[in-house]
Amino acid sequence: QVTLRESGPALVKPTQTLTLTCTFSGFSLSTSGMCVNWIRQPPGKALEWLALIDWDDDKYYSTSLKTRLTISKDTSKNQVVLTMTNMDPVDTATYYCARRMANYAMDVWGQGTTVTVSS
Amino acid sequence: SYELTQPPSVSVSPGQTARITCSGDALPKKYAYWYQQKSGQAPVLVIYEDSKRPSGIPERFSGSRSGTMATLTISGAQVEDEADYYCYSTDSNGNTWVFGGGTKVTVL
Repeated sequence: QVTLRESGPALVKPTQTLTLTCTFSGFSLSTSGMCVNWIRQPPGKALEWLALIDWDDDKYYSTSLKTRLTISKDTSKNQVVLTMTNMDPVDTATYYCARRMANYAMDVWGQGTTVTVSS
Repeated sequence: SYELTQPPSVSVSPGQTARITCSGDALPKKYAYWYQQKSGQAPVLVIYEDSKRPSGIPERFSGSRSGTMATLTISGAQVEDEADYYCYSTDSNGNTWVFGGGTKVTVL
């Protein structure tokens, strides 16, 4: 059974750096074609793709956020970490991680973690 | 930056057909994917590679792509199909992925 679970702080202050961890099981990020994505959704708004990291350690970022994002993986721990710098109240959102298969379909998602940016 | 455009809302009576469109300049060469999101829940993949259904997704969900537009069709919509639907695809380089703005489907 494939599962993903997001973890991180529920509240961060403006200008701080957010660090989120996606812990997964049931698959290996060493498998060719496998990727983990991060996606977020502000309250009442649309989904927004943020970043992905693949089995070969290639990394891709949202054009609008790439200067603030860093994605990394620890294959031995089955974890993917996303950092976002210089947090602002507009970054308040539910953050999801999702597995992507070789067919580019994100077939399994975590339940999401809610992050509020406020002083 | 690359954008996918969807209508904000679609309404349909139970048993009728709902069609949700998604337009994007790179769609002639890139697959479209569709996600269903019910209130308070994580998204669920309903269509991948334009027209393929994952296991467990009802046959009433189908997808197609022509030119710069992809379409999700719900044939014989049910009340439980009320949700937000998002298309998802990549730009021409294949390195940046985007979601459409989402379409709220109301079945009543």
